[in-house]
Amino acid sequence: EAAVTQSPRNKVTVTGGNVTLSCRQTNSHNYMYWYRQDTGHGLRLIHYSYGAGNLQIGDVPDGYKATRTTQEDFFLLLELASPSQTSLYFCASSGPGDRGAETLYFGSGTRLTVL
Amino acid sequence: GDSVTQTEGLVTLTKGLPVMLNCTYQTTYSPFLFWYVQHLNEAPKLLLKSSTDNKRTEHQGFYATLHKSSSSFHLQKSSVQLSDSALYFCALSGGSAGNKLTFGIGTRVLVRP
Repeated sequence: EAAVTQSPRNKVTVTGGNVTLSCRQTNSHNYMYWYRQDTGHGLRLIHYSYGAGNLQIGDVPDGYKATRTTQEDFFLLLELASPSQTSLYFCASSGPGDRGAETLYFGSGTRLTVL
Repeated sequence: GDSVTQTEGLVTLTKGLPVMLNCTYQTTYSPFLFWYVQHLNEAPKLLLKSSTDNKRTEHQGFYATLHKSSSSFHLQKSSVQLSDSALYFCALSGGSAGNKLTFGIGTRVLVRP
């Protein structure tokens, strides 16, 4: 079973605060993703990456930055957090193919609250 | 762009009854369709997937058939159990490079004794 670890599990910050969410996968997967989950919207893709140093824009990127420092590590950055970014964030990984058939393996999630 | 439609927000039923969750999609590429299940306070995990037209795919008592003619991939089970209470997401990969999945909004299933 693929292993994806997210930290922290819970985070509370204030409007305008700076937040970094971390994700590490130990399965040598090429692809890593950041999703947010909100009731009524399902899972929405923020950013994704197919390798160290690569970044691809997802469907809801506004207000978020991301960085893939190594094959294993993918970070999501909120430099000026807003209440609209209060959500449950999931990191996921997949590999080795790149033609859409790969299973996503999700981390346990980070619940972020912006006051 | 790609899109996935799940029409039921909440399905409530009694243990032992059959269930069908609707999923339709739109894409200009050759589709891969997935069902993910998320139990309370857990991460989503794959339930089943398919890219083969008109072939039934099964896993853990659930089954689905991809019908490209109607752009559908409905999830079914003949007899639900209490442990099937969860949030179910249909997801689409359009087959373009990037493994980018588009998810539906999810259907919550509540099974009562």
